[in-house]
Amino acid sequence: SSELTQDPAVSVALGQTVRITCQGDSLRSYYASWYQQKPGQAPVLVIYGKNNRPSGIPDRFSGSSSGNTASLTITGAQAEDEADYYCNSRDSSGNLHVVFGGGTKLTVL
Amino acid sequence: EVQLVESGGGLVQPGGSLRLSCAASGFTFSSYWMHWVRQAPGKGLVWVSRINSDGSSTSYADSVKGRFTISRDNAKNTLYLQMNSLRAEDTAVYYCAREQTDYDFWSGYPYNWFDPWGQGTLVTVSS
Repeated sequence: SSELTQDPAVSVALGQTVRITCQGDSLRSYYASWYQQKPGQAPVLVIYGKNNRPSGIPDRFSGSSSGNTASLTITGAQAEDEADYYCNSRDSSGNLHVVFGGGTKLTVL
Repeated sequence: EVQLVESGGGLVQPGGSLRLSCAASGFTFSSYWMHWVRQAPGKGLVWVSRINSDGSSTSYADSVKGRFTISRDNAKNTLYLQMNSLRAEDTAVYYCAREQTDYDFWSGYPYNWFDPWGQGTLVTVSS
């Protein structure tokens, strides 16, 4: 089955731009979606598909993809963006399974 | 308001069973594929199982195949996860989530996403 790989931790200075990446073979066939999770809360969708934001998600969040890598970019990171971020896609082996990345802990300094 | 509410978690001994429920409201439940995703304490999200809209097709992660059964009652707008032969490593918060799919017109690439998620229910397997 497919796997998605994320850096365990990333930090960014307040107001700066940060990119969180997700790598995996399935991303050559599927766009990723991205979720934000704060401590003690359920995940929240922030980006889906090529670069779609659900209503209520600030436009400082954006997505992109190239080859086997998907990226979530936060332009002008805010203190409230400190959270865990997960990517996901369908498994590319055709078994209709789903795969999540291991998550990236974002610290806003 | 589109909402998912899980229930049924708790403390169970190794080898025991538990049934989780996920009550859906605010959308046409019978039109969507539904999933269970779990998160062990301090760990990441792990996909567990999915069921198609009419319940005729299911899939499971290898770690739970043969022990867990996903089902749904579209008349009651409720998703279930029957968990048997529970192990310590099944200890986690279990989330239900609604899946949607689409594809990018220009590239043809498909994609899926989960929204909303329930608040989660904690399952603890311990003696």
